[in-house]
Amino acid sequence: QVQLQESGPGLVKPSQTLSLTCTVSGGSISSSDYYWSWIRQHPGKGLEWIGYIYDSGSTNYNPSLKSRVTISVDTSKDQFFLKLSSVTAADTAVYYCARSSRGVIITEYGGFDPWGQGTLVTVSS
Amino acid sequence: SYVLTQPPSVSVAPGKTARITCGGSNIGTKSVHWYQLKLGQAPVLVIHYDSDRPSGIPERFSGSNSGNTATLTISRVEAGDEADYYCQVWDSSRDHPVFGGGTQLTVL
Repeated sequence: QVQLQESGPGLVKPSQTLSLTCTVSGGSISSSDYYWSWIRQHPGKGLEWIGYIYDSGSTNYNPSLKSRVTISVDTSKDQFFLKLSSVTAADTAVYYCARSSRGVIITEYGGFDPWGQGTLVTVSS
Repeated sequence: SYVLTQPPSVSVAPGKTARITCGGSNIGTKSVHWYQLKLGQAPVLVIHYDSDRPSGIPERFSGSNSGNTATLTISRVEAGDEADYYCQVWDSSRDHPVFGGGTQLTVL
């Protein structure tokens, strides 16, 4: 059974770069069958997709965050990473990593399953 | 970009049926996935591909999708079903996921 676990600093100063790691266990991140995503939830708000990585390096980002986001992968360690630059208080959120299955056509794309537990990142000086 | 609309809240008595809607333009042509979020826990996929239940999800959870509305139905609601529920589809124009705003389910 695949499990995901986020890790990283819980506190980041404004203007700095937020860096998180998602460690995948029970399966290989190298599989071409899946997208590996970062998703966040601001306090009291809804879910916001940040971006995903697939095929060991291809990426797709939320246009609203694209200029500040980098998602990368280390297949040897079954980990993928999130970097969000120039953070402000508006980036304070619970950050989740999650897997979703790819399909040949869009209606075959699966839901996000599993998810990590989530990690709260607070941006504050 | 594609927009999904959910009611902010739904209330239901224990043992009754809760219905949570997710509205979107021609959503019936898309595959809809539903998630349950509880504080401090990993989100759980409760329905995928409109109406399929992942392994381990009780039969009380069901889904439908037609026209401009998808619906998550929870039968014989229990106190433990109290949570936030989100719908999600994939936006074919950008190949990225879109979430609804979420619905808080309260069990009275």
